[in-house]
Amino acid sequence: DAMVIQNPRYQVTQFGKPVTLSCSQTLNHNVMYWYQQKSSQAPKLLFHYYDKDFNNEADTPDNFQSRRPNTSFCFLDIRSPGLGDAAMYLCATSRGRTDTQYFGPGTRLTVL
Amino acid sequence: DQQVKQNSPSLSVQEGRISILNCDYTNSMFDYFLWYKKYPAEGPTFLISISSIKDKNEDGRFTVFLNKSAKHLSLHIVPSQPGDSAVYFCAASAGEGGSEKLVFGKGTKLTVNP
Repeated sequence: DAMVIQNPRYQVTQFGKPVTLSCSQTLNHNVMYWYQQKSSQAPKLLFHYYDKDFNNEADTPDNFQSRRPNTSFCFLDIRSPGLGDAAMYLCATSRGRTDTQYFGPGTRLTVL
Repeated sequence: DQQVKQNSPSLSVQEGRISILNCDYTNSMFDYFLWYKKYPAEGPTFLISISSIKDKNEDGRFTVFLNKSAKHLSLHIVPSQPGDSAVYFCAASAGEGGSEKLVFGKGTKLTVNP
């Protein structure tokens, strides 16, 4: 089945220790998104790629970076995680910018 | 400053009855609205959408109503089934009718009791 896969599902890291979250898709979609969802909050868009074109949201902290080495994979790098970065991180894809977004199951990040 | 508000964190209804989930927005530039459903341990899945040129869109048991003057939309599920129990997110975009840069509400947890 075509799908959006996120690994790992649960990630524990230490304060200040870099961490990378992974997203892959078999849908061959052009657009990939990263959202942050804190407890009882709305998912919040961090950035998205349209093909190789990176689009950062204005209020996304510099601590968050992303890479998209190819169509199928997109990574979220948190350079120095703080306690406030503990959240669910959701990856989504869409065929085009105005098409329905399909979400992965998310990675729950814990920062100790 | 929340642009999309779901003021009811939870809703409980009886199986077979109607579920009504509400959503308000503040940004008059929003022109496309979506509802996503999320089960525990899964990502949100697209349920139904509506463009601002319409005031109603129906898909089986699910109907979304849009009141632009009130900046309000609602999702009706009828009849409700236990499998509908999930968190429902309202989302909006200002992407010329598309879904780019979705702004989400905090969600409403629906419980349908057998």
